[in-house]
Amino acid sequence: DIQMTQSPSSLSASVGDRVTITCRASQGISNSLAWYQQKPGKAPKLLLYAASRLESGVPSRFSGSGSGTDYTLTISSLQPEDFATYYCQQYYSTGTFGQGTKVEIK
Amino acid sequence: QVQLQESGPGLVKPSQTLSLTCTVSGGSISSGGYYWSWIRQHPGKGLEWIGYIYYSGSTYYNPSLKSRVTISVDTSKNQFSLKLSSVTAADTAVYYCARGIRFLEWLSPHFDYWGQGTLVTVSS
Repeated sequence: DIQMTQSPSSLSASVGDRVTITCRASQGISNSLAWYQQKPGKAPKLLLYAASRLESGVPSRFSGSGSGTDYTLTISSLQPEDFATYYCQQYYSTGTFGQGTKVEIK
Repeated sequence: QVQLQESGPGLVKPSQTLSLTCTVSGGSISSGGYYWSWIRQHPGKGLEWIGYIYYSGSTYYNPSLKSRVTISVDTSKNQFSLKLSSVTAADTAVYYCARGIRFLEWLSPHFDYWGQGTLVTVSS
């Protein structure tokens, strides 16, 4: 199984901040990575796939990058509606999720 | 706009079988190209992919759950279902159905549409 490790597990930030979340795979996954946003009591929402491709309708302040085993989700200017938990998912093999990063209000 | 809706009992006794159904609207399971999936989330925890089914009936299960999982499809009702046998308290979770899409044919799916989720508690 490919293990996915996200960091940090939580962070505090202010509206307007630039936020970066990292996901590391236990082996190379060739950009086969998706990012999801989950708000309390709601289903996850797909933000990006193929490491850097923005899902339709997702604001352009969300971006993704990376290669090999290391990937990054960046929110360029944090908005009030962005406070949520973010998960990465590798789909190179079977499909496993990271443990999540909770973005809280500072 | 594709919508998915889970249904089924919210309480299951230990050792029994958990059964859930996902009804798809706004799109046909029979149209192909998508992998109809079940994913669960233990309370306060991360996400665990359970398995998927293609409209043809072919399935793929998470190896860690494979011995207890069956996913089936009823294209006439535009539904797919999950059965998880011999449940224990460790199976208490929110269960989501989702539409999986493969970016490339040989990759596993990622998930672009999700149901709202249903909490299943395993308790006597």
